[in-house]
Amino acid sequence: GESVGLHLPTLSVQEGDNSIINCAYSNSASDYFIWYKQESGKGPQFIIDIRSNMDKRQGQRVTVLLNKTVKHLSLQIAATQPGDSAVYFCAEINSSGGYNKLIFGAGTRLAVHP
Amino acid sequence: ETGVTQSPTHLIKTRGQQVTLRCSSQSGHNTVSWYQQALGQGPQFIFQYYREEENGRGNFPPRFSGLQFPNYSSELNVNALELDDSALYLCASSSRGRGDNEQFFGPGTRLTVL
Repeated sequence: GESVGLHLPTLSVQEGDNSIINCAYSNSASDYFIWYKQESGKGPQFIIDIRSNMDKRQGQRVTVLLNKTVKHLSLQIAATQPGDSAVYFCAEINSSGGYNKLIFGAGTRLAVHP
Repeated sequence: ETGVTQSPTHLIKTRGQQVTLRCSSQSGHNTVSWYQQALGQGPQFIFQYYREEENGRGNFPPRFSGLQFPNYSSELNVNALELDDSALYLCASSSRGRGDNEQFFGPGTRLTVL
């Protein structure tokens, strides 16, 4: 079936370094992707989104890159801070049923060390 | 904070019992989606409610059912609980008709089935 998955389950970085979290998706018809951040004891929090007609989108300290040729998505966090420590999910919007549902990957845990 | 609230925060049940979880959507949102998140995994779509009707369902058995009320709040009911139902249950609200790609998540209800 369709799925969205991640390459790395855990990523450890030093404070101040840049972080890159990767994601592969399988549904080539997907036209909308979202990155979520989930801290312990909380629900997923929207970070940034990107439509399939774009290959890059920038936010505050975050950049999402989309490569439709290889069905790959990445989240770049600049100058990683301790508050960035969380689990990050990429999600795909599936609208095949006439409604929007999110298909999540398994997540990558980002650990930021001082 | 997203403005989406869920109750209770935690719940412990035994196999065979029934449970009801509640969600209040963000002000102005008319759509509620429910997700199940097993430990260490990404959220899995259960179903979505719009205008008090279920308009989409994931791969979950009929013992998972729901309701949406005129004020757009929602309930998730699970009958004949099984051990594998232990998970974090998340609801997300969105606004159909106003670009509802972004879903806002509540903090979740942690259900433990013994």
